[in-house]
Amino acid sequence: DGGITQSPKYLFRKEGQNVTLSCEQNLNHDAMYWYRQDPGQGLRLIYYSQIVNDFQKGDIAEGYSVSREKKESFPLTVTSAQKNPTAFYLCASSIWRTSTDTQYFGPGTRLTVL
Amino acid sequence: SQQGEEDPQALSIQEGENATMNCSYKTSINNLQWYRQNSGRGLVHLILIRSNEREKHSGRLRVTLDTSKKSSSLLITASRAADTASYFCATDASNGGSQGNLIFGKGTKLSVKP
Repeated sequence: DGGITQSPKYLFRKEGQNVTLSCEQNLNHDAMYWYRQDPGQGLRLIYYSQIVNDFQKGDIAEGYSVSREKKESFPLTVTSAQKNPTAFYLCASSIWRTSTDTQYFGPGTRLTVL
Repeated sequence: SQQGEEDPQALSIQEGENATMNCSYKTSINNLQWYRQNSGRGLVHLILIRSNEREKHSGRLRVTLDTSKKSSSLLITASRAADTASYFCATDASNGGSQGNLIFGKGTKLSVKP
């Protein structure tokens, strides 16, 4: 059963703490993405990775970090430097071949800062 | 940066009616995609239309693309309560440094009343 999973579904963080959101895919996709979604808004790209051990900043990378040590995994760390981290975070993957790629999304993680 | 803008922001219709959502974008594209998001969930790909196509169908969905007007429309015919969701258009960044990445609009929130 192929797909993309994210965990946890809900995450609560105290101010000043770093937290890591998990994203795993078994679709054998090369590219993976992290997006942030705020209420009533579209998706904004945080980071993306086209290949293992390589990743690029998206539009709103400040206060976030990622790693891509395995093809299947692309964890996102929300650091204490991110001033307003409360949001819905979505991970996606695609076959990185052309600019026409469809993206497949995970179910999301809702992060709340207490 | 916001590329696609959906219109209307919200749409409420009765079951059985047709729903039309529009998307306008600013720069040239290779393709335009439509995604659906149920409340609190990840996005699901609906349909992709390439820049050399004018119309595409998938089940009850009909998508049109007018590259001269830089606009697209998504028509859902014979709507059902289960179609209640937010609908996003996404365009590929055919110019600029993020080749192959999608840029999402803010979405149209569709409510279909039984």
